Amino acid sequence: GQNIDQPTEMTATEGAIVQINCTYQTSGFNGLFWYQQHAGEAPTFLSYNVLDGLEEKGRFSSFLSRSKGYSYLLLKELQMKDSASYLCAVMDSNYQLIWGAGTKLIIKP
Amino acid sequence: ETGVTQTPRHLVMGMTNKKSLKCEQHLGHNAMYWYKQSAKKPLELMFVYNFKEQTENNSVPSRFSPECPNSSHLFLHLHTLQPEDSALYLCASSQTSGGAGELFFGEGSRLTVL
Repeated sequence: GQNIDQPTEMTATEGAIVQINCTYQTSGFNGLFWYQQHAGEAPTFLSYNVLDGLEEKGRFSSFLSRSKGYSYLLLKELQMKDSASYLCAVMDSNYQLIWGAGTKLIIKP
Repeated sequence: ETGVTQTPRHLVMGMTNKKSLKCEQHLGHNAMYWYKQSAKKPLELMFVYNFKEQTENNSVPSRFSPECPNSSHLFLHLHTLQPEDSALYLCASSQTSGGAGELFFGEGSRLTVL
């Protein structure tokens, strides 16, 4: 079966750096997405990786290793507003999105 | 302001009621989706419409009935639901389905079935 694994919850301190990991086993691969979802709000797109390597976008970076079935989202200079759930999703060979259960990130002052 | 609007935001219904969820997108997209989001579970894809045609029904019980009158509007008709159907129902849109484009989500309709 197809599976996406990510930690259920993580805690970090304001101003610090946090890395949220995502491992996947899917039937084929057509890219990996990260979404951010604040409580009570819509998920919003953060990043898309289809080739190996690091994609940087401001304070957020996303890394992909297709050979290892692994990605991470790196958040730098954490702010209280970064408290949210982070959803990892992989697009399989049929262009179906396979979702992880999300990682709830708690930022403490 | 999100380009995808869902109403109502909150809905409480009994198991014998009939209600509908509405989704409207203002992004000019051709694909629309219904997802179910339950606590600590992955998003569950329910239905996909591409150019108003249903292209995916992910083994959803018949008590959920989708309707897509045009590319901008999507409905989810609900009848004789069960308490386990209580969840957040998210609507999303994308340029087309079957591609690698990002999804744009609405804020969801929080459904409670008593």
